[in-house]
Amino acid sequence: QVQLVESGGGVVQPGRSLRLSCAASGFTFSSYGMHWVRQAPGKGLEWVAFISNDGSKKYYADSVKGRFTISRDNSKNTLYLQTNSLRAEDRAVYYCAKGSEMGSSSSFDYWGQGTLVTVSS
Amino acid sequence: QSALTQPRSVSGSPGQSVTISCTGTSSDVGGYNYVSWYQQHPGKAPKLMIYDVSKRPSGVPDRFSGSKSGNTASLTISGLQAEDEADYHCCSYAGSYTYVFGTGTKVTVL
Repeated sequence: QVQLVESGGGVVQPGRSLRLSCAASGFTFSSYGMHWVRQAPGKGLEWVAFISNDGSKKYYADSVKGRFTISRDNSKNTLYLQTNSLRAEDRAVYYCAKGSEMGSSSSFDYWGQGTLVTVSS
Repeated sequence: QSALTQPRSVSGSPGQSVTISCTGTSSDVGGYNYVSWYQQHPGKAPKLMIYDVSKRPSGVPDRFSGSKSGNTASLTISGLQAEDEADYHCCSYAGSYTYVFGTGTKVTVL
């Protein structure tokens, strides 16, 4: 069955960096676009970034553009999110999500359990 | 990329129907038939309930239905059950491979 397991979260000072990882299994990772979505404590979901199946296309929310970088290693079935210049408002649970294979593919059909990023001095 | 607007909460008794609205603009909800809905229980990951406005993934009960009119999408839960108590989030494609989520709605079963 499809599994997505995030790691790499933790407590970091403002302005510092973290690299988040998402290990995928149970499907042909190299065939699907992948996303990062985050959720601040007690808040709604926020889409963060998308990467195409082959890594050639990358798109970001305005709130993270220029600071975050999405990437993938299809040989390792792993998705990454490099988060730089972290701010207090980046504090959230970060989920990786698989681009759906259903219909238009404009939805997220599987999600990981998330990894918590806390930005604090 | 402003969040789509959802009511903060809705409630209903078991067996009743509730409808959650999701209002955006012509650049997102109104511009594409790519609205999806997610159910999220406390401390859990979101689960896809509806995609492409009104389609249900395999395994999602048919008491969940979706629709759209203009810039507003809706999720209706018919025959409300205790296990439907959760947060619900809408999401719309917003062009250029970007997406926007709603503010989230808490459904309470009375």
